[in-house]
Amino acid sequence: DVKVTQSSRYLVKRTGEKVFLECVQDMDHENMFWYRQDPGLGLRLIYFSYDVKMKEKGDIPEGYSVSREKKERFSLILESASTNQTSMYLCASSVLAAQTYEQYFGPGTRLTVT
Amino acid sequence: GENVEQHPSTLSVQEGDSAVIKCTYSDSASNYFPWYKQELGKRPQLIIDIRSNVGEKKDQRIAVTLNKTAKHFSLHITETQPEDSAVYFCAAAGRQAGTALIFGKGTTLSVSS
Repeated sequence: DVKVTQSSRYLVKRTGEKVFLECVQDMDHENMFWYRQDPGLGLRLIYFSYDVKMKEKGDIPEGYSVSREKKERFSLILESASTNQTSMYLCASSVLAAQTYEQYFGPGTRLTVT
Repeated sequence: GENVEQHPSTLSVQEGDSAVIKCTYSDSASNYFPWYKQELGKRPQLIIDIRSNVGEKKDQRIAVTLNKTAKHFSLHITETQPEDSAVYFCAAAGRQAGTALIFGKGTTLSVSS
């Protein structure tokens, strides 16, 4: 079974803090993704990566950055957390293959910024 | 970029009824359309998908249809059961090689017994 894990299930941070969300997958997947999930807004793509050290902006990259130094790990960084970044953050991974697109999600991190 | 619209946002049915959720997409180059189910407190999981060279796909009680000309696709659930209650998301591969998915806003399906 594919396993995607995230470093925390719940996180509370203060405005202005630097926040790191970590995601690790154990299936040697090339692609990794970060989404945020808000009620009524669905899953919105923040950033994704298709290889080590490669990254591409999604639909809502403002206020976020990412790091992928190793294939199995993809980090989401909030340089200066703000209250409007309170949300559920979901990481996902998938194989980079023409016939396989399924994304496997982690359990999510519920981040509250106060 | 790709934009995916999903309707309805909520859907309530009686057990045994059918449920239909519809999505439209904007990028005619999109070629992969999955559906994910997210139960309360759990992570989204793929339930069915369809590629642009296929018009319909069925897996037991669920089916997906695709109309490329009209740029819309639909999820059909027959003989609904209470365990079908969840949030359902459609998505489209909006970039090359299908690496990134653009999701709809979700449909909350409630099946009452």
